[in-house]
Amino acid sequence: NAGVTQTPKFRILKIGQSMTLQCAQDMNHNYMYWYRQDPGMGLKLIYYSVGAGITDKGEVPNGYNVSRSTTEDFPLRLELAAPSQTSVYFCASSYERLNEKLFFGSGTQLSVL
Amino acid sequence: DQQVKQNSPSLSVQEGRISILNCDYTNSMFDYFLWYKKYPAEGPTFLISISSIKDKNEDGRFTVFLNKSAKHLSLHIVPSQPGDSAVYFCAATASNTGNQFYFGTGTSLTVIP
Repeated sequence: NAGVTQTPKFRILKIGQSMTLQCAQDMNHNYMYWYRQDPGMGLKLIYYSVGAGITDKGEVPNGYNVSRSTTEDFPLRLELAAPSQTSVYFCASSYERLNEKLFFGSGTQLSVL
Repeated sequence: DQQVKQNSPSLSVQEGRISILNCDYTNSMFDYFLWYKKYPAEGPTFLISISSIKDKNEDGRFTVFLNKSAKHLSLHIVPSQPGDSAVYFCAATASNTGNQFYFGTGTSLTVIP
């Protein structure tokens, strides 16, 4: 059972480049989330989705875009990478949004130089 | 503005002894709290949760205590085992808004054999 799968695990970008972080879950969860974790900080919510075709901003959405065309996939797009986006990115999912534990992927370490 | 705080970045405990990890929050609307455990190069995994209608929840070696008047929760691990060595995050949410969890900065626990 794969759970939540994130790719790539590591990536180095130059300033101004773009990339897509992939996230897929096979648990038929309605809710999916993108978090970032900066050194010495807690996880902060970037975007979330309550189902296919529906997305909303979290606490730190600037510089990112998301889409949710299927229940399984929730890619995160960085259009113009900036050094401030150097972070570890975690995708997560849950069956119910409220009062429900999150299942996390293993993370993507992104460096923007 | 860090609404969930873990003021101890690290903790070392002898194997077999009790580990106590602390978490404070500022938002009185928070009514559901979770603890996650994270090993290096992996995503966080759910450990235990507590609703604000309770002041204690126990699951095997893990017990979470909630003190609503002090806006404080703690995770007790008894007895501690070397495999418990990991980073522990507490998280909180307000179910009437329900759209995101707020995470603490984490406490790195080392259990010494």
